[in-house]
Amino acid sequence: GAVVSQHPSRVICKSGTSVKIECRSLDFQATTMFWYRQFPKKSLMLMATSNEGSKATYEQGVEKDKFLINHASLTLSTLTVTSAHPEDSSFYICSAPGVSSYEQYFGPGTRLTVT
Amino acid sequence: DAKTTQPPSMDCAEGRAANLPCNHSTISGNEYVYWYRQIHSQGPQYIIHGLKNNETNEMASLIITEDRKSSTLILPHATLRDTAVYYCIVRGFGNEKLTFGTGTRLTIIP
Repeated sequence: GAVVSQHPSRVICKSGTSVKIECRSLDFQATTMFWYRQFPKKSLMLMATSNEGSKATYEQGVEKDKFLINHASLTLSTLTVTSAHPEDSSFYICSAPGVSSYEQYFGPGTRLTVT
Repeated sequence: DAKTTQPPSMDCAEGRAANLPCNHSTISGNEYVYWYRQIHSQGPQYIIHGLKNNETNEMASLIITEDRKSSTLILPHATLRDTAVYYCIVRGFGNEKLTFGTGTRLTIIP
């Protein structure tokens, strides 16, 4: 099946710094990608829809100036957490729809720890 | 998309069939039922989906009631590697967004 990768898998950063997370579709093109956040023992919460060539669409309550999304190409979307704080520590997961309408492929996730 | 209700947790003995229920009483006619699972600290994995007919693939079977208000995911011979959180999601055709509920934490017991 199709593969979605994320980099880095883990990152620790200091409070106030910015962190960039990459999401790549390795063997297929994705005009749309999705970013989720997951706190410990909680479900995945959709943060935003990343659109190649246009602005991302953010879910209600998600600060677009804090979580910058860039869909630079048909295989790459990036999420930048700006001015990170400890409460931004979470598991960030991306996904991309496959060729078939029912398929959606998830990346392995990136665990962000802000100290 | 319609909301789903699942039991928070279930146990199943290794080798037995695991039956995971999902209630989606407000499902509409063009909405599909999807099942994903998430093994600890990994991204979710697609399992199966269906509209109204029962479906089976190499991973599982999906039984949807005639009124479509509920469904059951069946893992026929559960193994320890099936321990995960299982999410039942209802999604309209053509809608690429997946909205995750709280899921069922399935623990396979040796």
